[in-house]
Amino acid sequence: AQKVTQAQTEISVVEKEDVTLDCVYETRDTTYYLFWYKQPPSGELVFLIRRNSFDEQNEISGRYSWNFQKSTSSFNFTITASQVVDSAVYFCALRSNDYKLSFGAGTTVTVRA
Amino acid sequence: DAGITQSPRYKITETGRQVTLMCHQTWSHSYMFWYRQDLGHGLRLIYYSAAADITDKGEVPDGYVVSRSKTENFPLTLESATRSQTSVYFCASRTDTYEQYFGPGTRLTVT
Repeated sequence: AQKVTQAQTEISVVEKEDVTLDCVYETRDTTYYLFWYKQPPSGELVFLIRRNSFDEQNEISGRYSWNFQKSTSSFNFTITASQVVDSAVYFCALRSNDYKLSFGAGTTVTVRA
Repeated sequence: DAGITQSPRYKITETGRQVTLMCHQTWSHSYMFWYRQDLGHGLRLIYYSAAADITDKGEVPDGYVVSRSKTENFPLTLESATRSQTSVYFCASRTDTYEQYFGPGTRLTVT
């Protein structure tokens, strides 16, 4: 069985602070894919990143960065110098050797001006 | 417009009525999915489709029916709506590299 755990339910920060969202996953498969999605208050789900299990290189995209560590089964997401527009629910997801995308429960990030 | 669209965006219906939620994608993705999002349950897969005329159940299929006669369309039907089916419904399609792109969602209220 596969499982994604986002232990942080809510995080509140002041603008310009950094915020790190934790994601821990469980899977028995050796090949799998990890994803992050953003759901802003408007409700749509926005794809942010995909990472393959065989590619542990960290990635940076603007103020967003992702740290993938197979040894600890974690795929954490950091927002640097947060802005009010970063306020959203962020979901981590896992796809193993089947069609299914298993989502974590989500972390609500609130950035205060 | 390119992308994935859902209609209606909002729907109120009565218990026992049949309602169909529409999903249309312009990318010709083979795989399409229906999820429901509820507080406390996150996103749960209802049905998915690997191609036209190929569909299969997800985690919570009871009370729902899907069809896929054309690649671009994947309607979801609630045969006899119940209050427990009040939810936000998301349709998604998947690229060959496994990213799923979601529609804007349909907020369904069953009274």
